[in-house]
Amino acid sequence: DTAVSQTPKYLVTQMGNDKSIKCEQNLGHDTMYWYKQDSKKFLKIMFSYNNKELIINETVPNRFSPKSPDKAHLNLHINSLELGDSAVYFCASSQAREEGYTFGSGTRLTVV
Amino acid sequence: SQKIEQNSEALNIQEGKTATLTCNYTNYSPAYLQWYRQDPGRGPVFLLLIRENEKEKRKERLKVTFDTTLKQSLFHITASQPADSATYLCALSRSGGYNKLIFGAGTRLAVHP
Repeated sequence: DTAVSQTPKYLVTQMGNDKSIKCEQNLGHDTMYWYKQDSKKFLKIMFSYNNKELIINETVPNRFSPKSPDKAHLNLHINSLELGDSAVYFCASSQAREEGYTFGSGTRLTVV
Repeated sequence: SQKIEQNSEALNIQEGKTATLTCNYTNYSPAYLQWYRQDPGRGPVFLLLIRENEKEKRKERLKVTFDTTLKQSLFHITASQPADSATYLCALSRSGGYNKLIFGAGTRLAVHP
């Protein structure tokens, strides 16, 4: 059973399109996150939800909109995709401050 | 601004030796420091967490130290094996507020037979 699962694994799309990435966790964790890993391999936090409430919203273009229908799901919708959005997007979850994060296997987004 | 630095150059060592990776940080007062392993095409996997008031933590062949005066953590893998080859990421979070982890860029470790 996959603990944090993301779909799709690969996404190739044209500039200007709108796309969504879905994430689900079956660990019962209260907090979920979206991270972006660029070509230089830096993992940067984008958003975090705790029990369906947005708690972290980093400086991200408002073309990116997260949605958490329940605490087990966190989706990411991206409008008007740009070339610079190409990256690997990771979903993660955690339960407590003193526990590590559990990451999904990532979604490689390529904008052409 | 906050900075987390890890050696950008790959670390190459011989099987059986101890690998030591370094994480330095500036303009930051972390309450917790974590280490993750990332294999190509996969998500990071949590390895160890150490608190600001702890000097050292061990788990099997892994050892982490945390020196808040030097603003540095060392990550050791003893009796290294080729299967330990991966990128190792250091991550920090503050006390108070929500747990926002900030990651370093990672160091690639290659263990040669």
